[in-house]
Amino acid sequence: EDKVVQSPLSLVVHEGDTVTLNCSYEVTNFRSLLWYKQEKKAPTFLFMLTSSGIEKKSGRLSSILDKKELFSILNITATQTGDSAVYLCAVEGAGNMLTFGGGTRLMVKP
Amino acid sequence: DGGITQSPKYLFRKEGQNVTLSCEQNLNHDAMYWYRQDPGQGLRLIYYSQIVNDFQKGDIAEGYSVSREKKESFPLTVTSAQKNPTAFYLCASSIGGGLQNIQYFGAGTRLSVL
Repeated sequence: EDKVVQSPLSLVVHEGDTVTLNCSYEVTNFRSLLWYKQEKKAPTFLFMLTSSGIEKKSGRLSSILDKKELFSILNITATQTGDSAVYLCAVEGAGNMLTFGGGTRLMVKP
Repeated sequence: DGGITQSPKYLFRKEGQNVTLSCEQNLNHDAMYWYRQDPGQGLRLIYYSQIVNDFQKGDIAEGYSVSREKKESFPLTVTSAQKNPTAFYLCASSIGGGLQNIQYFGAGTRLSVL
C-alpha cells in the first residue's frame, strides 16, 4: 500500500522566518511528487517533481526531491501571513493515482 | 474562464436520504476524481474516471456512487449506506492518458448531516 507522511503536523512562525516542510513516501512505481497549497477550499498546485536533486523554485518557495532517500522538502523563505495554509504533498504511483499525505498546517503570525 | 465548478458549496443531508454533488469542468480533461477530506486529514480517493462511461473505485468507495456520461461532468451521489458522510468533498480533473498527472481542484462541497 502506498504511503505518504508529512511533518510536522503543524507549525507556527513569525513573518520573515524560513520554514522547511517534509514529505516522505513509500510508493510502488513512483512517477512524480506534487506539492499543493490549501487555504480555505481548493488545493492549488505548487510544484511537480520527477527527478532527484533538481530544485524547483517559484518566488520565495522552492522544493527538491531525493528519490534515493524517498523524501521531498518544501522551503518557504521570508514568510508572510499570506503563506498561512495547509500544505499537501502527494505522490503519483501506478495507474496515475495520487496518494496524499495528511498535510502540514502552517500559521504565520505578523 | 476555464476551471472546475462544484455545487452546492454547502449541503445538508437527512437520515436515509441520498444526495448528489455536482462537478463540472471545462478544461477538456479526460480524467476526473472525487476525494473526501476530514478535519485535519489529507485527501482520500472515493472514485475516479479516466474516460467517459468508465469509472473505478478508489480507497473509500463504499456508500458512494458516480456516473460519467459526459466528459465535462462527474457527479457523486452520497447514498444512505454511507453512515458517516460529514466531510469536505473535493472534485479534481487532469489531462490523463498517462501524461504527468497534475490534478486541478474545484472549490469543494461541505456536506453535513442534519
